[in-house]
Amino acid sequence: EIVLTQSPGTLSLSPGERATLSCRASQSVRSTYLAWYQQKPGRAPRLLIHGASIRATGIPDRFIGSGSGTDFTLTISRLEPEDSAVYYCHQYTTSLTFGGGTKVEIK
Amino acid sequence: QVQLVQSGADVKKPGASVRVSCKASGYTFTDNYFHWVRQAPGQGLEWMGWIDPNGGGTNYAQKFQGRVTMTRDTSISTAYMGLSSLRSDDTAIYYCARMVAGGMDVWGQGTTVTVSS
Repeated sequence: EIVLTQSPGTLSLSPGERATLSCRASQSVRSTYLAWYQQKPGRAPRLLIHGASIRATGIPDRFIGSGSGTDFTLTISRLEPEDSAVYYCHQYTTSLTFGGGTKVEIK
Repeated sequence: QVQLVQSGADVKKPGASVRVSCKASGYTFTDNYFHWVRQAPGQGLEWMGWIDPNGGGTNYAQKFQGRVTMTRDTSISTAYMGLSSLRSDDTAIYYCARMVAGGMDVWGQGTTVTVSS
C-alpha cells in the first residue's frame, strides 16, 4: 500500500499570503492519479486538483498543483478567508489511499 | 445538476449490519465508478472500495474485505454499501463519490452511522 504523508499538519497564515502544502508518497505515484481535496467542517470533500496539476471545474486559479514521482505540492498563491479548511491528497496508482491532511488556518 | 443523495443517519448495535444508499441523478448512472469513503469523528478520510455500476464489479480495500459489500440497482440509479459485524470504531460518516479521470468530482452529503450498545 502506498502511504501518503502530508506536511505540515497545520498551517496558520494571513490573507494574501502563500500556502505550500506537501504530499510525499512512500513509492512512486502516477501523476494521472494524484488528486487534492478541500474539506470544510461539516461538509463533504471537494475536488480541487486531479492529474497532479489540473484544476477541477470552477476551482480558482490561485490553487496550483505540481510535482511528480513521490513529491507533490498544492500551492494556494494568495490566501482568502474562505480557504480555511483541511486539505487532503490521494493517489490511485495501486489501490487508493489518502494522506492524513493539512489544516490551513487563516489568521 | 449532477448530484448524489445518500440515505439518512442510522444507529446500530455492535455486531449488526448497515446498508447505506446513494442515489445518482443528472447524468448517466453507469458512466462512472462509485467509491465509498468514510471519516471517523475528528479523523481523516479512509477509502473503502469501489463499484463499477456498469457491470457490478467491485474492489474493496483489504481492511474491509469480508465485511463490506457494494452493490447497485441500475433501474433506480442507486449504489449501496453494506457493512457487517459492526464495531464501535465503525462509527463514522460514510460518503459515496463519483470518480472521473483520477479524481472524485461529486460527493454525496454523507451518512452518519453510529454503532453503540
